[in-house]
Amino acid sequence: AQSVTQLDSHVSVSEGTPVLLRCNYSSSYSPSLFWYVQHPNKGLQLLLKYTSAATLVKGINGFEAEFKKSETSFHLTKPSAHMSDAAEYFCVVSGGKSSGDKLTFGTGTRLAVRP
Amino acid sequence: ETGVTQTPRHLVMGMTNKKSLKCEQHLGHNAMYWYKQSAKKPLELMFVYNFKEQTENNSVPSRFSPECPNSSHLFLHLHTLQPEDSALYLCASSRVGTGISGANVLTFGAGSRLTVL
Repeated sequence: AQSVTQLDSHVSVSEGTPVLLRCNYSSSYSPSLFWYVQHPNKGLQLLLKYTSAATLVKGINGFEAEFKKSETSFHLTKPSAHMSDAAEYFCVVSGGKSSGDKLTFGTGTRLAVRP
Repeated sequence: ETGVTQTPRHLVMGMTNKKSLKCEQHLGHNAMYWYKQSAKKPLELMFVYNFKEQTENNSVPSRFSPECPNSSHLFLHLHTLQPEDSALYLCASSRVGTGISGANVLTFGAGSRLTVL
């Protein structure tokens, strides 16, 4: 069984300040973890993925996430928010082939960026 | 442009209508998916096709009927829908068996916004 919890449904930051979007997961297997972003009226786009290699993963647009097994977390960060980062962000867990590569999506965190 | 194209982008239909959503991918992927995205809910997987064969039907009502004539095209036929079926329907594709620990990276289309009156 696997699940993912995004701890905040809404996050608001000022432009130029750090972004932290929190995600905790549960998985019976060694998980793969993803962050996707969805801009208004668009589909989901992959930001980054963790697949049992380096625990600090760098993605597109300056985002990165750190896999912490002891905390079962995969939080998404960015040092300095830009107005174009305003979107909805989804944390996703996959248990790998042992779970049929099934993906479980979080409920999303909506990021607002204030000028 | 992600390489996954969905049409129409917006659709309004009555409960007695029959319509279809179309998805086309130009990425050479071998798996295609339909997801339903409703407000304040996680994405719900509806159907999965691997190499044109349906491998998952996630207890979807029969008023939704998928069709996958080849690995590049996926349809969702709609008939006698209910207002609660109003949602954003997302198509995605992936290359199954990437060799990276089963990491199944999806490429999504922009979605078809369906409103059922």
